[in-house]
Amino acid sequence: GAVVSQHPSRVICKSGTSVKIECRSLDFQATTMFWYRQFPKQSLMLMATSNEGSKATYEQGVEKDKFLINHASLTLSTLTVTSAHPEDSSFYICSARSSGREQYFGPGTRLTVT
Amino acid sequence: GQQVMQIPQYQHVQEGEDFTTYCNSSTTLSNIQWYKQRPGGHPVFLIQLVKSGEVKKQKRLTFQFGEAKKNSSLHITATQTTDVGTYFCSGNNRLAFGKGNQVVVIP
Repeated sequence: GAVVSQHPSRVICKSGTSVKIECRSLDFQATTMFWYRQFPKQSLMLMATSNEGSKATYEQGVEKDKFLINHASLTLSTLTVTSAHPEDSSFYICSARSSGREQYFGPGTRLTVT
Repeated sequence: GQQVMQIPQYQHVQEGEDFTTYCNSSTTLSNIQWYKQRPGGHPVFLIQLVKSGEVKKQKRLTFQFGEAKKNSSLHITATQTTDVGTYFCSGNNRLAFGKGNQVVVIP
């Protein structure tokens, strides 16, 4: 299957700082990328959907000014957690897909805010 | 809006037994996809169903899409410890809003 990478895999940051997470589709062009958040033993929670070259669509309850998403190319999307707080600590997973195809998930990024 | 629910949310299955998990939508779906997430891992695509009444098999796994294209099932026979994980369904390329189906296999 297709490969999606995420970087970094783990990050620890101090409260008040910003963190950028990258999601890359390595062997296909992703017209759409999704960002999810997952708490321990919980389901994936869709945060936003981004289409290349346009603004991301955020799910209800997700602060767009706090979770900045950029999908500048068909192979890269970034999620920036701004002014991070301990409650933002979570597992962030991205997925990518070509038009009409299934989603391929990245390995996830474990964010810890101290 | 579209709501896709999975039942049950948790299952404890004896090794060697069969089990079924269901995915139900409030609206007609153009397609449905199933994913599996092992503990500590990320979701991995299993299969996509598109046609009304479609049935697909992958070894011990049988996937079915309802005639009305509003529900789907995943049936696993002779459960093995490798079947442990959470099974998610996705309607129209969006993940179900819910906890998925967390399966624990009892040796």
